[in-house]
Amino acid sequence: EAQVTQNPRYLITVTGKKLTVTCSQNMNHEYMSWYRQDPGLGLRQIYYSMNVEVTDKGDVPEGYKVSRKEKRNFPLILESPSPNQTSLYFCASSLSLGSNEQYFGPGTRLTVT
Amino acid sequence: GNSVTQMEGPVTLSEEAFLTINCTYTATGYPSLFWYVQYPGEGLQLLLKATKADDKGSNKGFEATYRKETTSFHLEKGSVQVSDSAVYFCALIRNTGGFKTIFGAGTRLFVKA
Repeated sequence: EAQVTQNPRYLITVTGKKLTVTCSQNMNHEYMSWYRQDPGLGLRQIYYSMNVEVTDKGDVPEGYKVSRKEKRNFPLILESPSPNQTSLYFCASSLSLGSNEQYFGPGTRLTVT
Repeated sequence: GNSVTQMEGPVTLSEEAFLTINCTYTATGYPSLFWYVQYPGEGLQLLLKATKADDKGSNKGFEATYRKETTSFHLEKGSVQVSDSAVYFCALIRNTGGFKTIFGAGTRLFVKA
């Protein structure tokens, strides 16, 4: 089944404790992206990757890192999480950019205390 | 800069009513435009898209027309069902100068039986 998977689905952590949210897709998509969803703000793009070893900042990249060493994986790293990073995070992938739809993962709800 | 503005919700309708959710955008160049739908507890799914001016996207009874002169992409459905209750997001992808994705804040729709 074609899908985007994220792990973990739920995470509660403390300020400053490094964490990684994994994202994997099995559709051989070139483009992958991370978003955060906050009430009243919709989805805001954190980082995106147009292919292996090619990443670029979205609108809210501060406090996040990403890497794209393999085509299928695009982990999101929070080196030192803070409470303002409490949010619902979505990973998405697309065959390419422009007119292609993005396929979204189920989401990761992160709480930083 | 680039932005997407959607009408604020929630929108509450009775079954079989006509639906319009307004979406306007600002963008340089000629973006591709999308409507995504999010059902409770799930990730986003593509509802429809349009890639150039005057294109009409349609799916599951929903329609939206890419109006460059008014920079709009309003979502319409002639007769809503209870199962259409969800959050609807308008989005654009720039096709020049980087490929950021910009989402609107989302509009929650409630349909009553």
